[in-house]
Amino acid sequence: SQQGEEDPQALSIQEGENATMNCSYKTSINNLQWYRQNSGRGLVHLILIRSNEREKHSGRLRVTLDTSKKSSSLLITASRAADTASYFCATGSNFGNEKLTFGTGTRLTIIP
Amino acid sequence: SQTIHQWPATLVQPVGSPLSLECTVEGTSNPNLYWYRQAAGRGLQLLFYSVGIGQISSEVPQNLSASRPQDRQFILSSKKLLLSDSGFYLCARADRDNSYNEQFFGPGTRLTVL
Repeated sequence: SQQGEEDPQALSIQEGENATMNCSYKTSINNLQWYRQNSGRGLVHLILIRSNEREKHSGRLRVTLDTSKKSSSLLITASRAADTASYFCATGSNFGNEKLTFGTGTRLTIIP
Repeated sequence: SQTIHQWPATLVQPVGSPLSLECTVEGTSNPNLYWYRQAAGRGLQLLFYSVGIGQISSEVPQNLSASRPQDRQFILSSKKLLLSDSGFYLCARADRDNSYNEQFFGPGTRLTVL
């Protein structure tokens, strides 16, 4: 089963609004990553947050991590049409573990 | 720059036919390499990963296999395709010295089994 579960599964907002996506996971992690996938393309790494961090920013992206609740959120501010894509969270466990476990994704549509 | 190539980009194959998908990586040495499958509108399923030449870990029992004949080459194969093998196959790499296993993906191969 998937470690990460994104919520909502699909989200449609007007251009310029903020988009928030959530990810929940089940086991202990040492980091959580967010990826974007444009339709029919490979995934692109967006941002990584370590388990000892609570918030991280990168441009219009803001990621939070609450390890007590085993959840993370991705906020995209001032959305643009080009942000239309699927967004996935992925969790890494202990150091030395070579695998990431990906969630099921949120399909974000920005309406011009 | 570091680049991942996958080919073919699309493939339509009949049930029971063999399969060979290739992934090559440029600009890095000793990467960890991964094969994922993504069903339409779904998340990623890890199929195989490799930490070195000839070293393959299988995540899901199935009729697929993987090989790593060279450091920067990762091949996904099947002797006889099933309808359920249809999907989008993604190759990814991670740098061995990256503790957090940040992954970089190739463009993918869309496989349709008829």
